[in-house]
Amino acid sequence: ELQLVESGGGVARPGGSLRLSCAASGFSFDYYGMSWVRQAPGKGLEWVSVINWDGNITDYADSVKGRFTISRDNAKNSLYLQMNSLRAEDMALYYCARHNWGSEDLDFWGQGTLVTVSS
Amino acid sequence: DIQMTQSPSSLSASVGDRVTITCRASQGINNYLAWFQQKPGKAPKSLIYAASNLQSGVPSKFSGSGSGTDFTLTISSLQPEDFATYYCQQYNSYPLTFGGGTKVEIK
Repeated sequence: ELQLVESGGGVARPGGSLRLSCAASGFSFDYYGMSWVRQAPGKGLEWVSVINWDGNITDYADSVKGRFTISRDNAKNSLYLQMNSLRAEDMALYYCARHNWGSEDLDFWGQGTLVTVSS
Repeated sequence: DIQMTQSPSSLSASVGDRVTITCRASQGINNYLAWFQQKPGKAPKSLIYAASNLQSGVPSKFSGSGSGTDFTLTISSLQPEDFATYYCQQYNSYPLTFGGGTKVEIK
């Protein structure tokens, strides 16, 4: 069964850090690019970051560039998002999502982990 | 960045109705357009990719069409389980961008 399970969310203070993880199972993780997408409470979807299959290519939304770092460990079937210098506007539910092999659309999503930024 | 504009932002419809949602890109996206369904408290679910291709397991009452900058999602006969928020998204170029969403409610 295809699964993406996010973890690592919680409460952080403005300026603080969190590291999100996404554990993949049920598919060959090292074949697929992966993205993080977030959703602020009651709002729409916002793409955050992408990493290619081997971790050599990454990209970020301007809103997080220089503060967030995406990485992966294919041996552990895991995706990560290191979030530094957190701001109130980073508060959201963070989803990891798989890029469809070959067509690159986001074909499968995890259930999300909630990040709260509050003093 | 490519802006994605969805309309309407919400609609009320009855069971059995045919529903159409539109999505316009600020520039051509080579049909790299996906549609997602999101129910309250749940993750988005992919319905359609490449503008008109149904994801595996998605019922055929959902269909997508369009090209260039203008796209539509149609639900042929609305059922109770279809009441949700629908998003379009372009993956022609980074940053990936989503439409603002269309909330489909029960009339």
